Formats: sequence, C-alpha cells, structure tokens
Amino acid sequence: DVKVTQSSRYLVKRTGEKVFLECVQDMDHENMFWYRQDPGLGLRLIYFSYDVKMKEKGDIPEGYSVSREKKERFSLILESASTNQTSMYLCASSSLTGDSQPQHFGDGTRLSIL
Amino acid sequence: AQSVAQPEDQVNVAEGNPLTVKCTYSVSGNPYLFWYVQYPNRGLQFLLKYITGDNLVKGSYGFEAEFNKSQTSFHLKKPSALVSDSALYFCAVRDNTGGFKTIFGAGTRLFVKA
Repeated sequence: DVKVTQSSRYLVKRTGEKVFLECVQDMDHENMFWYRQDPGLGLRLIYFSYDVKMKEKGDIPEGYSVSREKKERFSLILESASTNQTSMYLCASSSLTGDSQPQHFGDGTRLSIL
Repeated sequence: AQSVAQPEDQVNVAEGNPLTVKCTYSVSGNPYLFWYVQYPNRGLQFLLKYITGDNLVKGSYGFEAEFNKSQTSFHLKKPSALVSDSALYFCAVRDNTGGFKTIFGAGTRLFVKA
C-alpha cells in the first residue's frame, strides 16, 4: 500500500511566521501535489512537482513556495503566514505511468494561523 | 475550461436504501473521471475511476459509478447504503490536455441514517 505521511496533523502558528509543512511518500512516485481544502470549495491545487527540483504553480500559489530536493519528499512553505492561510492542507502523490493513475493522499495537516 | 460540478452539498439516505451522489463534468476530449471518499480527519481515498470501456465502473466498498457521455455525468451509486458510508465524497476529472492537474468538485456530504 502506498503511504503518504504528513509530518503534523495539527499546527498552530502566528501571523508573519515562516511555516514548513512536510510530506513524504514511500512508493517512488514521480508526481507530488499540495492542496488546500476549505469547506464548500473542495480541493484547490497550490503547487505540484513531477520530478526532483521541478515544480509547477497550481491555481492558488500566492503566498506559498515548495521544495523538492529528494524524490520522496515535497515541502510546502508559507513564506509569511497570514490568517487567510488557516486551512486543511493535503499532500498527494501519483505515479507518472499514464494519465489514469489516481492520487494517494496523506491524512492532512490542519493549520491555524493566529 | 475543464470543470466538475457536484450539484448537491448533502445527500441523506436511510440505511439499506440505494444511494446516488451526482457529478457532472466539462472537458475537452475524452475524460478521465474519479471518485474519492474522505472520512473525518483523514485524507482522500480513491474509490474508482473511468478511463474507457464499460459505462458502469465498479470500485471499492461496493460502490459503482455510471458514465453517461451524452449527459456528461458520472454519478456514484450503491445498491444498499450502510451507516459507515457516511462521509464526504469528491468527484474529480483529470486534465487530459497534457498537464498533470486533477480538478476536484466541491464535495458532497453523505449522511446514512440507521
């Protein structure tokens, strides 16, 4: 079974802090994704990566950056946290093989910015 | 632009009755369609997908989905609902224009009453 592990389930930070969310997958997947989930809005893609050191902006990249130094690890960085970044953050991975592969998700990090 | 819509925020059904969770999509070309389920405080889990072939797709936990090209729909169904099916369900469409993105609907919350 694919396992996607997010380092924290719950996180509380203060406005202006630099925040790191970590994600590790154990199935040698090429693709990795960061989403935020807000009620009524579904999942919105922040960034994705299809290879080490490669990254692409998603639909809502403003205020975020990412890092992928190793294939199994994809980090999301909030450069200067703001209250409107309070949300559930989900990491996912998928195989590059074909377009029909589903994504495998971690259990999420519920982030509160005070 | 590619999109997916889940017209119902919530679906209520009695245990033992059949359930349907609706999804419509808009894509250029042939769609790759997915259903995911999210239980409380967990990430999304893959249920089933439609790529090509039979219009009725069978998936995990007794769920199935019916692809209807003329109505651009991909409704999730189960013949007999269980209380344990209560969760948040997401329909998703894969960007098949050469990118890596998956577009998610806003989600439908299913309540199964005993």
